[in-house]
Amino acid sequence: QKEVEQDPGPLSVPEGAIVSLNCTYSNSAFQYFMWYRQYSRKGPELLMYTYSSGNKEDGRFTAQVDKSSKYISLFIRDSQPSDSATYLCAMSAGSGAGSYQLTFGKGTKLSVIP
Amino acid sequence: DADVTQTPRNRITKTGKRIMLECSQTKGHDRMYWYRQDPGLGLRLIYYSFDVKDINKGEISDGYSVSRQAQAKFSLSLESAIPNQTALYFCATSDRRTSGLVFFGPGTRLTVL
Repeated sequence: QKEVEQDPGPLSVPEGAIVSLNCTYSNSAFQYFMWYRQYSRKGPELLMYTYSSGNKEDGRFTAQVDKSSKYISLFIRDSQPSDSATYLCAMSAGSGAGSYQLTFGKGTKLSVIP
Repeated sequence: DADVTQTPRNRITKTGKRIMLECSQTKGHDRMYWYRQDPGLGLRLIYYSFDVKDINKGEISDGYSVSRQAQAKFSLSLESAIPNQTALYFCATSDRRTSGLVFFGPGTRLTVL
């Protein structure tokens, strides 16, 4: 079993839809959970950052972490064509030397159709 | 101004050539990383450095070497490039005080013929 699983998509939705992106993981030591957005031919851009379980909201974006199920989600409300990108989940154990290394999902490619 | 810069942005080279990719940052971060990204394989860690005197191998270090010339500079070398090193290479930085928040540069697209 891979440490982090993420459905690669592609996912295509109409403008204004609610988008749900998900990752599952196997390493119970992970405490820090990130979502990155990557536009074509660009570097990943940090979008959301969550420590441990719970929800975090930032504008149209909501990140959820359920450590008991080893499952994280990113919701995008009122999706826009500018949200079209690849979304990468990432996580780390975050304590001890070397443990800040990130483990990435392979990314979900999202297209929002006007 | 970009916080993390990479040079060159694109490079085409031939098998057997030595290549150096450079990274500099103005974020004041102590930790720097090199990743490569391949379609279907995601981002994989090549090397990381927690300070100037600390260099560590990542998941896929074979065929690569690095140098941390200063806190703000971290270079990646391919001593003898081979075609399966064709990929998108990213430099990244983080601060030990911010628990894993990692920021990426714009990337270098390397093609080895």
